[in-house]
Amino acid sequence: GQNIDQPTEMTATEGAIVQINCTYQTSGFNGLFWYQQHAGEAPTFLSYNVLDGLEEKGRFSSFLSRSKGYSYLLLKELQMKDSASYLCAVRAPYNQGGKLIFGQGTELSVKP
Amino acid sequence: DAGITQSPRYKITETGRQVTLMCHQTWSHSYMFWYRQDLGHGLRLIYYSAAADITDKGEVPDGYVVSRSKTENFPLTLESATRSQTSVYFCASSALGAPYEQYFGPGTRLTVT
Repeated sequence: GQNIDQPTEMTATEGAIVQINCTYQTSGFNGLFWYQQHAGEAPTFLSYNVLDGLEEKGRFSSFLSRSKGYSYLLLKELQMKDSASYLCAVRAPYNQGGKLIFGQGTELSVKP
Repeated sequence: DAGITQSPRYKITETGRQVTLMCHQTWSHSYMFWYRQDLGHGLRLIYYSAAADITDKGEVPDGYVVSRSKTENFPLTLESATRSQTSVYFCASSALGAPYEQYFGPGTRLTVT
């Protein structure tokens, strides 16, 4: 079976740091993605991890531990525009079509 | 460079009617995908295509039909629309190589009355 869990909602303060966790149990693994989705808009790609460790991209970092089935997205120096839904997605292996399986998303509210 | 586009952006139809949602990408990406997004369910894969004339079912394919005669187009047809198919539909595409990120179209908001 496929199961991806994220917190439903989080609230943080402008200028602070927030960590959004994602745990997964899937029958195969070929990478983990984070997407950002503002209300009424399409998801946009943030990061991709296929090996264990931290990937840093500006204010955003993403971490992966394959043995623990765990990832997090770290947002630093939060800005009001970071208020959005953050989607964790696991990519299935090629022999399963390489499809993305999405979690339900974490709605982040950034307050002044 | 238009990227990936969807049409129509908004559609209201009646139960039992056939509806086709269009998706067009200008990147010559091999892979294309159709998702629906509903409150409480997140993004769910309906169908995907690895190349022209190659399609496969996703998580929720029932009631939908796809075709891909050209690399750049991937239409989704609801053969007989039902109220449960009221949703926001996103098309996405991705290239063959790493990191395989998917680029999403702007979405079609479909209401079935």
